[in-house]
Amino acid sequence: GAGVSQTPSNKVTEKGKYVELRCDPISGHTALYWYRQSLGQGPEFLIYFQGTGAADDSGLPNDRFFAVRPEGSVSTLKIQRTERGDSAVYLCASSLKGLAGGAGTDTQYFGPGTRLTVL
Amino acid sequence: RKEVEQDPGPFNVPEGATVAFNCTYSNSASQSFFWYRQDCRKEPKLLMSVYSSGNEDGRFTAQLNRASQYISLLIRDSKLSDSATYLCVVTWRDTDKLIFGTGTRLQVFP
Repeated sequence: GAGVSQTPSNKVTEKGKYVELRCDPISGHTALYWYRQSLGQGPEFLIYFQGTGAADDSGLPNDRFFAVRPEGSVSTLKIQRTERGDSAVYLCASSLKGLAGGAGTDTQYFGPGTRLTVL
Repeated sequence: RKEVEQDPGPFNVPEGATVAFNCTYSNSASQSFFWYRQDCRKEPKLLMSVYSSGNEDGRFTAQLNRASQYISLLIRDSKLSDSATYLCVVTWRDTDKLIFGTGTRLQVFP
């Protein structure tokens, strides 16, 4: 079956612009996660959705970052007034049930990422 | 101090060698433990979960020491295809977010 897909695969923008990154999770997965990976680092957690609601947004660095998942499937990560320090690979992952399903942590399956470059 | 610490490497080993990676974590309330593999410019993929009793998957053996807050991964009979970055990952109680180390880069040469 299809895995997690992310679009665009690459995005180049200018400082100060607004960008939207899209994630399409594996069909039937109720939990969706966004991570950010800078060069030479491991991925860092940004936000987690269980269904339509953000269950944990503690990783969002500031109020320029916002994410939605209005129908409990596709999610969009929105970054306002982009800065050069926002340049990174933005990874999306999904899992079948997430913590709400009980019985510990489900396997998270990652998409290929969106490489964002802010000039 | 980082929540999950790993030696970034690189570890350069010949084919057939045995190589071990270590990782320490700072939060004693950490609940689940994993090793992920990440190829260059690709997404991370789950390699294996890690349990206190130790677990083995073919040439790969993972071990968890909760008392020392230490996780290890042993790769036996290294193959060229094992060249990748190995990410140590933990989760905390009551949360699903994955907390990654910086990764350890392995290069296996002929």
